[in-house]
Amino acid sequence: QSVLTQPPSVSGAPGLRVTISCTGSRSNIGAGYGVHWYQQLPGTAPKLLIYDNTNRPSGVPDRFSGSKSGTSASLAITGLQAEDEADYYCQSYDSSLSGNVFGSGSKVTVL
Amino acid sequence: VQLVESGGGLIQPGGSLRLSCAASGFIVSSDYMNWVRQAPGRGLEWISIIYSGGSTKYADSVKGRFTISRDNAKNTLHLQMNSLRAEDTAVYYCARESPDSGGMDVWGQGTTVTVS
Repeated sequence: QSVLTQPPSVSGAPGLRVTISCTGSRSNIGAGYGVHWYQQLPGTAPKLLIYDNTNRPSGVPDRFSGSKSGTSASLAITGLQAEDEADYYCQSYDSSLSGNVFGSGSKVTVL
Repeated sequence: VQLVESGGGLIQPGGSLRLSCAASGFIVSSDYMNWVRQAPGRGLEWISIIYSGGSTKYADSVKGRFTISRDNAKNTLHLQMNSLRAEDTAVYYCARESPDSGGMDVWGQGTTVTVS
């Protein structure tokens, strides 16, 4: 059972907007630790998509954006494309566990 | 900037295995280095970190059985895995974490460990 909770699946038609939530607690997201998002295409290693809540690494399209409020964070994908079909994970640090924690993961399906 | 894992394989329950993660393009001892695993069909699970200062942390699932270390001369990260169990079966990734902004920005290709 993951410390950070995500919806198992999210879907949307091409061109539309989808959001993925990441719900934590006062010992991780709510404590002010940064939230990071990863995209994992089938059979490949995860790729950093958003770091420190809202920042995009070089090369990541601006269709991807992150936000954080209280004990939760969200990843938004606008202008959904077929290539966005993948698993998405949030990650933060947990002070009670003294280590990094990942979300349960969300599978994005483009209808 | 690249990470290349090695050392995975098939091992019997109770056995030991040592994973390696060779880094190029950056200095392992200057950053935080993580091991993350993914069991078949499951999500990502963080298991260990070694900070630039040398301190280490482990997930409860591997504490006391796994040891993270680094060889500064070879710019390589290691994970010594002892008392392996069936539930340790997974793809193991090493990943660099930026001390400044967080987030694991460089990942290896993964190495598969099967305990059976």
